[in-house]
Amino acid sequence: AQSVAQPEDQVNVAEGNPLTVKCTYSVSGNPYLFWYVQYPNRGLQFLLKYITGDNLVKGSYGFEAEFNKSQTSFHLKKPSALVSDSALYFCAVRDGGSWGKLQFGAGTQVVVTP
Amino acid sequence: EAQVTQNPRYLITVTGKKLTVTCSQNMNHEYMSWYRQDPGLGLRQIYYSMNVEVTDKGDVPEGYKVSRKEKRNFPLILESPSPNQTSLYFCASSLSPVDLGPQYFGPGTRLLVL
Repeated sequence: AQSVAQPEDQVNVAEGNPLTVKCTYSVSGNPYLFWYVQYPNRGLQFLLKYITGDNLVKGSYGFEAEFNKSQTSFHLKKPSALVSDSALYFCAVRDGGSWGKLQFGAGTQVVVTP
Repeated sequence: EAQVTQNPRYLITVTGKKLTVTCSQNMNHEYMSWYRQDPGLGLRQIYYSMNVEVTDKGDVPEGYKVSRKEKRNFPLILESPSPNQTSLYFCASSLSPVDLGPQYFGPGTRLLVL
């Protein structure tokens, strides 16, 4: 069975500093990995995905994520955080052998202070 | 405008009174899915549909029903709602039922069951 963990409930970072949101996963096959963001009082938006290929995936709004197979991690990164990046971030995983089922992590609240 | 719509956006009901939350997408997407969001638990998948007439259970299907008679619509039915189904519900769709990304989410339906 697939599972995904976001070990930090909240990440605090100053504007202009690098931002990292951690995600680890467990699947029985090849993972399909995703990051979504939920801004206050708004719906969820897709940031990026990893299916195969280059371990560094670039996505929307300047975000990128690094797939690390040996550590079963898929951390989300942004080189320079903005106050507007303050939001709830979700990592999600689909087991390569389980079409249709998608499991989300509990979410990490990112707070960027001016 | 490409979008996923849900109705109603807010609903207060009483235990046992059947209700339906509608979901419609205008992007000709194959895949659709329902999630519930609860604090500290992230998003949990209720049901998903790979295509018309093809539906399957997610992680938390108990107490819910779905149907997919048309490609664009994927209603969520609560035959006998209970207070533990009080939650924020999201419908989502994706062009590809294979890689599941990106998923486009509806604005959410906030349900309170008394």
